[in-house]
Amino acid sequence: QVQLQESGPGLVKPSETLSLTCTVSGGSISTYYWSWIRQPPGKGLEWIAYRYYSGSTNYNPSLKSRITISLDTSKNQLSLKLTSVTAADTAVYYCASTTQWLSWFYWGHGTLVTVSP
Amino acid sequence: EIVMTQSPDTLSVSPGERATLSCRASQSVSSNLAWYQQKPGQAPRLLIYGASTRATGIPARFSGSGSGTEFTLTISSLQSEDFAVYYCQQYANWPLTFGGGTKVEIK
Repeated sequence: QVQLQESGPGLVKPSETLSLTCTVSGGSISTYYWSWIRQPPGKGLEWIAYRYYSGSTNYNPSLKSRITISLDTSKNQLSLKLTSVTAADTAVYYCASTTQWLSWFYWGHGTLVTVSP
Repeated sequence: EIVMTQSPDTLSVSPGERATLSCRASQSVSSNLAWYQQKPGQAPRLLIYGASTRATGIPARFSGSGSGTEFTLTISSLQSEDFAVYYCQQYANWPLTFGGGTKVEIK
């Protein structure tokens, strides 16, 4: 059973870079499709970015200029970097994975990131 | 970008009754449609993919139907644990997009 655990700072200052890691256990990171998805407090879900171990990536155009998604197969980790954050980036960030094309079966518990001075 | 619109925003249902949730896509997504359930403080849970295929471990009272632009999630007999927010998501085109959600509450 694949388990996902997000980690990273809970508080980031405006204009700085948000960096998150998703550690995968119970499965190989190269077996699944991966995404980051976020949810602002009290609001709906927003897909951020996609990555497959082969190197294939795709980004939400609304965030594309600020996002990098990467895989570290040696550590079995997925990472997200979001630059130049503002208060609008305050959200719970989830990593998600699947073996079924782009419908997300495995989710982490999510990590709340607050952007504030 | 494909816009997903869910209705109603809130559905009040008594336990044991049927709930019918709708999701509309701004253009055809074929059967590339998933449904999720989310309870407060929890991550979403995949219920349905391919518009009508139940994910592993999902009870048979959950069913999905539709194709193209119109989709329905039906919960045949609501249990107490089914009161939650439900989201649809299309994966026909990039970017992946979610509907705004339907909250199913106890009547």
